[in-house]
Amino acid sequence: GENVEQHPSTLSVQEGDSAVIKCTYSDSASNYFPWYKQELGKRPQLIIDIRSNVGEKKDQRIAVTLNKTAKHFSLHITETQPEDSAVYFCAATSGNTPLVFGKGTRLSVIA
Amino acid sequence: DTAVSQTPKYLVTQMGNDKSIKCEQNLGHDTMYWYKQDSKKFLKIMFSYNNKELIINETVPNRFSPKSPDKAHLNLHINSLELGDSAVYFCASSQKAATEAFFGQGTRLTVV
Repeated sequence: GENVEQHPSTLSVQEGDSAVIKCTYSDSASNYFPWYKQELGKRPQLIIDIRSNVGEKKDQRIAVTLNKTAKHFSLHITETQPEDSAVYFCAATSGNTPLVFGKGTRLSVIA
Repeated sequence: DTAVSQTPKYLVTQMGNDKSIKCEQNLGHDTMYWYKQDSKKFLKIMFSYNNKELIINETVPNRFSPKSPDKAHLNLHINSLELGDSAVYFCASSQKAATEAFFGQGTRLTVV
């Protein structure tokens, strides 16, 4: 089955700097890669997703890149703000199985 | 107009007891899930239902039994609760495979 590895597990950045979180997946059939943000005590919520027919997608300060050959995908947050502090999860699925999540990255943005 | 709702939000119970968590979605989705989030925040799939039928049952003890009376509801019943069952349990739903999953607010289960 699918296995998703996520790095780093914790990340601290200064406000205004960029943050990058990286994930790798094992199942070459995976074709949908969402990213979720979970604030303390809240539910995970989708912030951006990408499908395997696209290499990059951007939404304001957030971008995701996908390298199908290397089975890597990454989340990029620019101009970080304190409200970006949360746990971020990557996930992958081929559509035949539920989302398989990485172990999460705790992002702290220091003002 | 909550999309996916779970009850209760908090559940504290003694070892050996039996408890249930209810989940309802009003999005018209065909697929519903139960995820367990442990103290290290790892989100692990437990069950997946499509249109009331069990599709996936990961390596979950048979003390956990999901029930889907209709495609808008997926309840989780847990027998003989153990200390290791303490976690946050999230219900989620999606329209179809490989689309956004919407999560409920979670149920924090504490077994003492």
